[in-house]
Order: sequence, then C-alpha cells, then structure tokens
Amino acid sequence: NAGVTQTPKFRILKIGQSMTLQCAQDMNHNYMYWYRQDPGMGLKLIYYSVGAGITDKGEVPNGYNVSRSTTEDFPLRLELAAPSQTSVYFCASSQDYRETQYFGPGTRLLVL
Amino acid sequence: DQQVKQNSPSLSVQEGRISILNCDYTNSMFDYFLWYKKYPAEGPTFLISISSIKDKNEDGRFTVFLNKSAKHLSLHIVPSQPGDSAVYFCAASQTSGSRLTFGEGTQLTVNP
Repeated sequence: NAGVTQTPKFRILKIGQSMTLQCAQDMNHNYMYWYRQDPGMGLKLIYYSVGAGITDKGEVPNGYNVSRSTTEDFPLRLELAAPSQTSVYFCASSQDYRETQYFGPGTRLLVL
Repeated sequence: DQQVKQNSPSLSVQEGRISILNCDYTNSMFDYFLWYKKYPAEGPTFLISISSIKDKNEDGRFTVFLNKSAKHLSLHIVPSQPGDSAVYFCAASQTSGSRLTFGEGTQLTVNP
C-alpha cells in the first residue's frame, strides 16, 4: 500500500516552460487536493477534486490547471512557469472532506 | 487575510517537559480543527483533531484544547521526546466546505 505518491521529487524549470506534476493514490479516496508551501508559510490550497471528472479552485489557482479522469490520479499542470511558482507542492487525498487528509512526500520545484 | 495563525515560528523545549503549541483563528464558521506534523523532506501527517462540540481531545501524549470564545486552540505534548522535533501545522475547516485552511507552522525542537 503506497498511499499517495508524487513524481518528480525535484525539478528545475526555466521561465515559460511547462510541466505536469504527477499524483496518484491507491486508497480509493474520493477527494484529492493540491497544495503549495512557500518558505515560512502554511500550505495553500491550489485545486481540489471531489471525484473523477469534478475539480474546483482553491485559494491560489492562478497559473495552474488540473484534471481528474480517474479516481487514482490527479495531475497538476503548470503551463507557463514563473519564478513565483517556485515552491514545494504537496498532493493529498481523503475519503471524505471531513476525513483525515493523507499527504504525498512533495515535489520541490525551482523556476529560474 | 490569514484566517489561521500560529504566532510562534519556533519553540524549543527540553526532553521530558511539556510542549505547548498555539493557534488562533478568525473565522467563526470553522468547526473542525486538526494538527499535522511534518518532518523535513516528507509530507505532513495527521496528528490529532477536535470538533467544535468538544473542548478537549486526547491521544496518548498529545492533547488538543479548544477555546471557542477566544478562537484559540493549543496542542500539548507531554512528555516531549526528541522524535517530536518537527514542524507542527494547525488547520481548520467548516462543515459546509471541503477545504482546510492551514496556519504557518511552528518548528518544535526537543533537546535531549
């Protein structure tokens, strides 16, 4: 049982490049989330999904896109990378919105 | 607008003593509160939670206290152990929503 997995662990992007951060969970959870954590700050919700085919914006969605075609996967897309997107990105999942959220190990992204 | 605040970025205590981590919130609609622990290079892991219908919840060495009138919660760790050294995030949610709002985190260091 792997829980929540994220790839890659670390990536350097040039300004204007695009990339997809991968997230997968094997717990059959309905809810999935993407957060970013900047130094000295708490986690900010980027997007979340309550089930396959359903996504919604969180607190800081600008510059990102998501899709949820399966229960297991919830990729996060950066189309035009900017230095302000330098951060650590965490994916999480939960069975229901009031249930405990389980987090992946994070993806560290540096945009230069 | 920081709805959940942890005013102490860091806390240092001796092994065996009590650690008290504090959290304040401004949104009176929050009715469910959680604490997460985070080690370096790992995702946050759930520690303990409390519903607004209670004022205390215990789990082993960890106790969370909620003071709704003061919009304040605290996490007590007794006795503190070196393995407790981590960043602790408090988080809050509303019944009607699926998002967690996180505080900035407090780095706890337990010295042997």
